[in-house]
Amino acid sequence: GQNIDQPTEMTATEGAIVQINCTYQTSGFNGLFWYQQHAGEAPTFLSYNVLDGLEEKGRFSSFLSRSKGYSYLLLKELQMKDSASYLCAVLLDTGRRALTFGSGTRLQVQP
Amino acid sequence: GAVVSQHPSWVICKSGTSVKIECRSLDFQATTMFWYRQFPKQSLMLMATSNEGSKATYEQGVEKDKFLINHASLTLSTLTVTSAHPEDSSFYICSARDLGGHSGADTQYFGPGTRLTVL
Repeated sequence: GQNIDQPTEMTATEGAIVQINCTYQTSGFNGLFWYQQHAGEAPTFLSYNVLDGLEEKGRFSSFLSRSKGYSYLLLKELQMKDSASYLCAVLLDTGRRALTFGSGTRLQVQP
Repeated sequence: GAVVSQHPSWVICKSGTSVKIECRSLDFQATTMFWYRQFPKQSLMLMATSNEGSKATYEQGVEKDKFLINHASLTLSTLTVTSAHPEDSSFYICSARDLGGHSGADTQYFGPGTRLTVL
């Protein structure tokens, strides 16, 4: 089977930095995606990593280590609106391109 | 950016009826679309891959006769839940694969989802 693990819940303070980790053990790997999902809404694309290293996009950064099967999403200058679930997803198959999702991390940003 | 729409956004139906959900890519062509299901406080589970002009590929455990998928054009895929029952109540989300790479990658963009409630 495919295993993609994330912490279930995290809490952080407005203005702070938070790191959400994702570890994966999968039969294939063709890239890792991070999505943000607010309650009752569809996921929105945040980042994509296929090579090792850090990808920075504004307040959000994502890191990948393929040898360790590890990724993290870093959120800086947290805002209340960042309270959401963050989903780590692995692209297993270059053919079908379907994503396999982790269970998601619910982030609560407090004042 | 790439936009995917779904219709309806929510639907309530009686047990035994069929419900059709549409997924459209509005500003790009999608040869492949995906249908996911999400139960409360759980992650997305892939149901099937919808391929334009050919049969859908279903994940293990998903009944293809119950969840009918049609991908008639490069911008439209439909999911029909036939003879719906209360256990089919869920949040159904489609995604479309954008080969044009609005984000610089072969990225999937998600529709806003359809909340189905079967009474």
